[in-house]
Amino acid sequence: KNEVEQSPQNLTAQEGEFITINCSYSVGISALHWLQQHPGGGIVSLFMLSSGKKKHGRLIATINIQEKHSSLHITASHPRDSAVYICAEGGSNYKLTFGKGTLLTVNP
Amino acid sequence: EAGVAQSPRYKIIEKRQSVAFWCNPISGHATLYWYQQILGQGPKLLIQFQNNGVVDDSQLPKDRFSAERLKGVDSTLKIQPAKLEDSAVYLCASSFGTGSYEQYFGPGTRLTVT
Repeated sequence: KNEVEQSPQNLTAQEGEFITINCSYSVGISALHWLQQHPGGGIVSLFMLSSGKKKHGRLIATINIQEKHSSLHITASHPRDSAVYICAEGGSNYKLTFGKGTLLTVNP
Repeated sequence: EAGVAQSPRYKIIEKRQSVAFWCNPISGHATLYWYQQILGQGPKLLIQFQNNGVVDDSQLPKDRFSAERLKGVDSTLKIQPAKLEDSAVYLCASSFGTGSYEQYFGPGTRLTVT
């Protein structure tokens, strides 16, 4: 059974801090996704990666295939980064299995 | 490019009532997904359509949930009768094809069953 575990479940930071959210998955994947969900429900895809590292603005995502682990980093965090961050693994059948999400609150 | 549209955004009903949600995917996207997201959980796939055919409905509670995508474009998800545990956000997503992981999500419908 595919399982995706995220940590921490909740994270509170001060504006400007460097933030790391971790994701572990249980089976071999074809792609690992990081998504952002703001209050109100809408989900936005941040990254899709299968190896190495990707960067977009202040966001960086890394993946270690051998260890079945991925991290999402936010540099110079800002209150507008406050959201739920969800990790999802894409299996060989192109279905996504989602983690429970990490609630990030960045205080000014 | 217009995104995935969903309506209504919010719905409050009493248990045993019926409710329907509507989704219009991004134009040209053949694959459409309905997810249920209970508070504090990640989304759970209810049903996946490829055009107007069902690819996966293994986690759809078929005794009370139904979905259709008759013309291969927009889709309707229905719950009849609703239970308290159906309170959740119902998300619709679409992708270009089943051979793609890139899914685009709608804003969701927040259902409260009282």
